[in-house]
Amino acid sequence: EDKVVQSPLSLVVHEGDTVTLNCSYEVTNFRSLLWYKQEKKAPTFLFMLTSSGIEKKSGRLSSILDKKELFSILNITATQTGDSAIYLCAVGPYNQGGKLIFGQGTELSVKP
Amino acid sequence: GAVVSQHPSRVICKSGTSVKIECRSLDFQATTMFWYRQFPKQSLMLMATSNEGSKATYEQGVEKDKFLINHASLTLSTLTVTSAHPEDSSFYICSARGPSSQDEQYFGPGTRLTVT
Repeated sequence: EDKVVQSPLSLVVHEGDTVTLNCSYEVTNFRSLLWYKQEKKAPTFLFMLTSSGIEKKSGRLSSILDKKELFSILNITATQTGDSAIYLCAVGPYNQGGKLIFGQGTELSVKP
Repeated sequence: GAVVSQHPSRVICKSGTSVKIECRSLDFQATTMFWYRQFPKQSLMLMATSNEGSKATYEQGVEKDKFLINHASLTLSTLTVTSAHPEDSSFYICSARGPSSQDEQYFGPGTRLTVT
């Protein structure tokens, strides 16, 4: 059975800290891995990764994929209270009509 | 770009009634939309995949007669919760497959359904 596992499930840090969120997967016919940020409402798209070893970066956030070891990390540097959210990892397999398999999410809380 | 709207954002209904939730892609055409359900502190659970002009594909364990999905146009999909019961109370989120990517999905703001 396909699965996506995120760790840790929750994390509390202080402003200015750097955090690393993990996502491992076992998915048949892997095509892409996506990261989303969910605050009070629906998830907002952060990154999509399809190739190993190529870092994607957006401001203080960055992410990289390792297709050999079947995992991805999401890094947030110099965290701010506005980074507090649930971060969701999802994997998109081939031949599944575009559907995504989501992990449980990591709840990040950044304290002032 | 790639904005998805959902309506209503919040609805309270009585047990036994039906509720319709709309999902619209505002600035792109979406041949495929997805409907998710999310319980507090839990991840998104895919309920069904909605394809324009054809029947929806439901995930295992999701009752298709209870959760009716219609995708009549390239910008609109609807989810109707029929004969709602309190256990149907949840946060329902739709998404649309992005215009330029096979896997990127853009999410609507969600609908909080409370059945009393």
